[in-house]
Amino acid sequence: DTAVSQTPKYLVTQMGNDKSIKCEQNLGHDTMYWYKQDSKKFLKIMFSYNNKELIINETVPNRFSPKSPDKAHLNLHINSLELGDSAVYFCASSQERGGGDAEQFFGPGTRLTVL
Amino acid sequence: GENVEQHPSTLSVQEGDSAVIKCTYSDSASNYFPWYKQELGKRPQLIIDIRSNVGEKKDQRIAVTLNKTAKHFSLHITETQPEDSAVYFCAPERGSYIPTFGRGTSLIVHP
Repeated sequence: DTAVSQTPKYLVTQMGNDKSIKCEQNLGHDTMYWYKQDSKKFLKIMFSYNNKELIINETVPNRFSPKSPDKAHLNLHINSLELGDSAVYFCASSQERGGGDAEQFFGPGTRLTVL
Repeated sequence: GENVEQHPSTLSVQEGDSAVIKCTYSDSASNYFPWYKQELGKRPQLIIDIRSNVGEKKDQRIAVTLNKTAKHFSLHITETQPEDSAVYFCAPERGSYIPTFGRGTSLIVHP
């Protein structure tokens, strides 16, 4: 009965490859997020997706693209991977109550290593 | 966008001591003030939150206080235990769907 799940847990790949990370939530939440956590533990929001509206952090390179087939899924596609993309990527979800003021439920994280 | 700062970045205490972590924010429209705990190798999890119409909230050994005028809120942990060792993040929100997390405070509780 996992609330927010991600696959894969670990991902090791070569520079220049394209990869995807999948995220699913079974909480019935209407907003999902992707975060990047670097080696210094800094949690940076990359995207949020609410009721088919995508909100992008403008500092995220366009090599990163989120795709939401339905309300319960938000996948992350990364093209032309670079060494600096190595990090832990967390998916999260929340049930917004008229303005983003809700607890975030995080997935277990995907550790991406680019060689 | 929201400018969020957490202090200190590292906090080392003896078991049984109290710990206080402060979070300052810039957006006066922020109305939700959560604290998340991330243990080593695990996901961040909410431990306590407060909304703008409340000045203080307590849950057993942890409490959060809010000063909206000064735009800061603090996490208080009393009678610290080794299992409190973790990284703590604040993430004030105003409903923009772009949460901004502080840079984290690494709390180390020595037995």
